Amino acid sequence: ETGVTQSPTHLIKTRGQQVTLRCSSQSGHNTVSWYQQALGQGPQFIFQYYREEENGRGNFPPRFSGLQFPNYSSELNVNALELDDSALYLCASSQKDEQYFGPGTRLTVT
Amino acid sequence: AQSVTQPDIHITVSEGASLELRCNYSYGATPYLFWYVQSPGQGLQLLLKYFSGDTLVQGIKGFEAEFKRSQSSFNLRKPSVHWSDAAEYFCAVGAPWGSWGKLQFGAGTQVVVTP
Repeated sequence: ETGVTQSPTHLIKTRGQQVTLRCSSQSGHNTVSWYQQALGQGPQFIFQYYREEENGRGNFPPRFSGLQFPNYSSELNVNALELDDSALYLCASSQKDEQYFGPGTRLTVT
Repeated sequence: AQSVTQPDIHITVSEGASLELRCNYSYGATPYLFWYVQSPGQGLQLLLKYFSGDTLVQGIKGFEAEFKRSQSSFNLRKPSVHWSDAAEYFCAVGAPWGSWGKLQFGAGTQVVVTP
C-alpha cells in the first residue's frame, strides 16, 4: 500500500463524453504526476502538478487537463473522449526523491 | 530524441533460476534511473532507483541493478526467482534536474515463472 488512492477504480464512457478522475496523494507529497498506460504498453507521462500549478506536460492534447487542490489531491479531466483514450490512468505523488503510484483507474471508451 | 528500450518483450524463467532484464536508454545526460514492477491489475511498485554514486544498486525483493554509463544500460537482476516474481517490469528514466517525477517508461518486459 502506497497511500496514494484513485477513484473510481473502473468506469465506462461513450465517445464524445467527458470524464474526471481523482487522485489523493500520499500525506505530505506536494507533487502529483499523471500517466496513461494503454494495454500492453508502458505508462506515458501526461502532466505534473506542483503546489497547484502545472509543472510540465507530455505529448497530450489540451482536452487533457488537470487540477491540484490545496490539500495536494488532484483531478484529471478528459473532454471529447475518443476510443484511443481507453487505458489505465495512473497518478503518482512525490516529494524529494520518492515517488509512489496509485492503483489506477481503468477507463473504457465505447 | 530521448528513449528507453527494453529489448525483451517476454521472458520465461524457471523458479530458482537467475533473471536478468535489459534496459537501454538514450538521453542527453545521465538521467535518474528506475525499475518498477506491475502485477496484473495493479499500480506500479518501485523496485530500485539510481541517482548517482555506486553503480550497483540494491532494491526490494532481492533485486539489484547495475548502471553502466559506457553502455547506457541499467539492467535488472535477481539471483533466484520466486513464483511471485511473475509480473511486468518497467524501466524508467527521469531528468536529473528540476522536478524529476516526469518519467519516461520503456514498453515493459513480461516475466513468466515456471515450476
